[in-house]
Amino acid sequence: NAGVTQTPKFRILKIGQSMTLQCTQDMNHNYMYWYRQDPGMGLKLIYYSVGAGITDKGEVPNGYNVSRSTTEDFPLRLELAAPSQTSVYFCASTLTGAGNTIYFGEGSWLTVV
Amino acid sequence: DAKTTQPTSMDCAEGRAANLPCNHSTISGNEYVYWYRQIHSQGPQYIIHGLKNNETNEMASLIITEDRKSSTLILPHATLRDTAVYYCIVRAIIQGAQKLVFGQGTRLTINP
Repeated sequence: NAGVTQTPKFRILKIGQSMTLQCTQDMNHNYMYWYRQDPGMGLKLIYYSVGAGITDKGEVPNGYNVSRSTTEDFPLRLELAAPSQTSVYFCASTLTGAGNTIYFGEGSWLTVV
Repeated sequence: DAKTTQPTSMDCAEGRAANLPCNHSTISGNEYVYWYRQIHSQGPQYIIHGLKNNETNEMASLIITEDRKSSTLILPHATLRDTAVYYCIVRAIIQGAQKLVFGQGTRLTINP
């Protein structure tokens, strides 16, 4: 198993540009999450998905969109990049069942200038 | 909603046991406590989790109080490589979905 894979690892965007952060997992997990982490802060939930075709907003969804067309993939799209979206983004996945381990990707560093 | 409270920072001498506390006084009966750590800005690394019983694995031990309102992560023989931010997380059911509630974490520094 590769676990949770995120791409790209680093990206610099100009204000107003759009991009998609990719997340894929090969563990057949139904739950997937996107978090952002600002410097010195904890992780904040952007969007999550309980399975293919089902997504919902987290704490900080503004400026982002997601889709979940397959079990494996959960891309995060930034439509009009703003400096406030400069952050580290983490994808995570797990199975239904409160005792199942949650797996995180290695992160995607995004800078908007 | 479930919430965790941790000290902002702690220090521990190399070779000694590091005891990291977490308060989760609003935890519900079926919600698990998880501990993760983050070294620099890498992806969070799983350490241990539990529901009501104490747990131990090759990395750490988790002690949960009988009322489940708090827990302690124990790193029995801390090394310099254990310097990291440690997150106590409640895996909660919020609006019908499983969500991970992160606190601010404890920055643990292991001193030589």
